[in-house]
Order: sequence, then structure tokens, then C-alpha cells
Amino acid sequence: EDQVTQSPEALRLQEGESSSLNCSYTVSGLRGLFWYRQDPGKGPEFLFTLYSAGEEKEKERLKATLTKKESFLHITAPKPEDSATYLCAVQASYNFNKFYFGSGTKLNVKP
Amino acid sequence: DAMVIQNPRYQVTQFGKPVTLSCSQTLNHNVMYWYQQKSSQAPKLLFHYYDKDFNNEADTPDNFQSRRPNTSFCFLDIRSPGLGDAAMYLCATSRLTGAYNEQFFGPGTRLTVL
Repeated sequence: EDQVTQSPEALRLQEGESSSLNCSYTVSGLRGLFWYRQDPGKGPEFLFTLYSAGEEKEKERLKATLTKKESFLHITAPKPEDSATYLCAVQASYNFNKFYFGSGTKLNVKP
Repeated sequence: DAMVIQNPRYQVTQFGKPVTLSCSQTLNHNVMYWYQQKSSQAPKLLFHYYDKDFNNEADTPDNFQSRRPNTSFCFLDIRSPGLGDAAMYLCATSRLTGAYNEQFFGPGTRLTVL
């Protein structure tokens, strides 16, 4: 069964304290892995797409990496405005119409 | 700016009273999706349209239906809402061609069932 698991469920950081969020998946034949940011009461906002193991993407304080079975979202020197839920989704090559979402990591950055 | 628009942002209905949520897009994407998201949970795919082709998820209740009259618009109809249908409903679009597969989401409609 295709699955996406995110850890930890929640993460509290002090401002400036770097950390990583994990997304592991069991989809066979990955077409793409996607990271989203979701603020409370809003729709997910697209951050990154990763297509192959070894690929990395960066945007401001965020860097996403991909291996064959998991992806990491590294947050360097986070600020309170980075507080949000971060969702990971995968797209399988055999059924690329569908995206399988994880439950997200709720990040809280304290000033 | 190209975007995905959902109306209304907040919808209150009574138990059993039909409700329709709408989604429009200016991205000209060929695929449109409807997700249900409950608090602290992953978005749950209800159905999607690939162009005009409708694809229903096996576990989507019959109570939920959808229409896509043209490329830009898609509607979610809940025929007889129950208390368990209270959730955030998210519309998303995707191009699903070549290297561009990411989904773009609207702001969501928060549905309350009284």
C-alpha cells in the first residue's frame, strides 16, 4: 500500500535553532515528491518539487533533499514567520493523477 | 496573478440541507481536484477531473458529487450533509504534463454543519 509518513508530528524550535523535518514514503516508482506549507485556515502553498534521488532545492531558509525512500526539509535559522504545518505529497509514476499526502509536521518557532 | 479561487470561504449549512462549493482557476490547468481536510489530518482526495474525465475515489461517499462544466470551473455538491462532513474543502489544480506536476491549491472553504 502506498504510504507517506511525516515526522515529527509537531516540532517546537527557538528562533535560530536549525532542524529537519522528515517525509518517508513507500510508493514504488516515484514520479515526484512535493513539499507544501499550510497556514491555519488556509490552503497549502507549494514550496518544492523533487524528482530524483540526490536532488536538492532551496528557497530562503528552506532546503529540500530527496533519497530513494525519504525526503528532508531542512530549516536553517528559522524565524517565527516560518511557523506553519509542512505537508509532503508523493506522486506515483504508475498513477500520476493522484497525490498521496502525509499528515504534516506542525512547526512552531518561538522568538 | 494566475490563481485558484474558492467560494465561499465559509459555508454554514443545516444537517441534510444541500450545499454547493465552487472552484475556479485562471491557470488553465487540465486537472482539478477536490480534497476534504479535517483538523490535523492529511488532505483526503474525494475525486478529480482529468480534462472532462471524472475520477471518483472508491471511498468517497455517494453523498458527494462533482461537476466540471468547463476548464475553469469545478463544483462540489454535498447532497445531504451530515455532522461528519464538517471540514475544510480544498480545490487544487495541476497541469500534469512534462516536468510540471505540482498542485496549486485554493484558499479552501470551511464547511460547518449545524
